[in-house]
Amino acid sequence: EDKVVQSPLSLVVHEGDTVTLNCSYEVTNFRSLLWYKQEKKAPTFLFMLTSSGIEKKSGRLSSILDKKELSSILNITATQTGDSAIYLCAVWMEYGNKLVFGAGTILRVKS
Amino acid sequence: GAVVSQHPSRVICKSGTSVKIECRSLDFQATTMFWYRQFPKQSLMLMATSNEGSKATYEQGVEKDKFLINHASLTLSTLTVTSAHPEDSSFYICSARVTNTDTQYFGPGTRLTVL
Repeated sequence: EDKVVQSPLSLVVHEGDTVTLNCSYEVTNFRSLLWYKQEKKAPTFLFMLTSSGIEKKSGRLSSILDKKELSSILNITATQTGDSAIYLCAVWMEYGNKLVFGAGTILRVKS
Repeated sequence: GAVVSQHPSRVICKSGTSVKIECRSLDFQATTMFWYRQFPKQSLMLMATSNEGSKATYEQGVEKDKFLINHASLTLSTLTVTSAHPEDSSFYICSARVTNTDTQYFGPGTRLTVL
């Protein structure tokens, strides 16, 4: 069965800390991996990764894919309270017609 | 970034009535749209895949006669919850896949409350 596993399930950090969120996958014919941030409403798109070893960066957020390890990490540096959210990882499979989502990581940044 | 709108954002209805939710991709074409349901503190649950010009594909356990999906154009999909009951109360989220890419954007969601 295709699955996407995120860890940790939740964590609490202080403002200014750096956090690393993990996503591992076991799917048939991987094609791409996406990261989303969900606050009170629907998820907002962060990154899409298809190639191993190439870091994608947007401000304090960055992400990289490791196809050998079947995993991806999402890094957030100098965290702010506004980074508090659920971070979702999802995978497209080749010949697949839907995203397979992980359960998400709940991040809480304390001031 | 690309924008997906959803309407209404919040709806309260009486048990037994039907509710229609619209999902529009505002600045891109989406051959495929998806409808999800989310319960509090849980991840997204895919209900169905909506393909422009053809029948929707429903996930196991989702009643197609209860959750009617229509994808009449490349920018609009609708979900109609028929004969709604209190257990249908939930947060419904649509997403649109940019045609010929893997990029998928979500709408802001619709909070449905059935009394």
